[in-house]
Amino acid sequence: NAGVTQTPKFRVLKTGQSMTLLCAQDMNHEYMYWYRQDPGMGLRLIHYSVGEGTTAKGEVPDGYNVSRLKKQNFLLGLESAAPSQTSVYFCASSYQGVIGYTFGSGTRLTVV
Amino acid sequence: AQSVTQLGSHVSVSEGALVLLRCNYSSSVPPYLFWYVQYPNQGLQLLLKYTSAATLVKGINGFEAEFKKSETSFHLTKPSAHMSDAAEYFCAVTVGYGGSQGNLIFGKGTKLSVKP
Repeated sequence: NAGVTQTPKFRVLKTGQSMTLLCAQDMNHEYMYWYRQDPGMGLRLIHYSVGEGTTAKGEVPDGYNVSRLKKQNFLLGLESAAPSQTSVYFCASSYQGVIGYTFGSGTRLTVV
Repeated sequence: AQSVTQLGSHVSVSEGALVLLRCNYSSSVPPYLFWYVQYPNQGLQLLLKYTSAATLVKGINGFEAEFKKSETSFHLTKPSAHMSDAAEYFCAVTVGYGGSQGNLIFGKGTKLSVKP
């Protein structure tokens, strides 16, 4: 009963490098989300998915790509990291929209 | 589009005192409202939610919130603060299920400090 698992938990990137953040859920949830959290800004939605094979843009999608090839996994990619992408990234999943989001523990990313 | 405003980025109370964290929302249709808590270096945990049933909602750890449509508010309260309540609290709103309508919109958060 792991819930939502994010890997890695910490990462330091150099400007221009690429990386993929993995989110895995074992609750058979249809909906998955990627948020970023910055001090004083709350959580802002980057991308979301309403089912396997589907993705959609959220509030702050620029510089990120996502994929949902398998129902249980939602990947967030940074093709060319920038210092402005230094943030804490949270993944969440839910069975049907607002009926209970379950959050992962976050990935702290620093881009230098 | 819906939005959430949390009044006060930092709130400090003494242990045993009333906790009041303010949240006002904007929505053109009946909203669903949530309070989440985040302890240091952890993810978000659901405290309570309003989904159009009772307007006074009770949550975990002794917290409750009242939905007031006339004031477009959903303030979070706890009668007596405990040291363990020190955390950041987020109010969130959405207008429905499914697709983008089900996406949660978060406020900017309020950090609660509890003094001994």
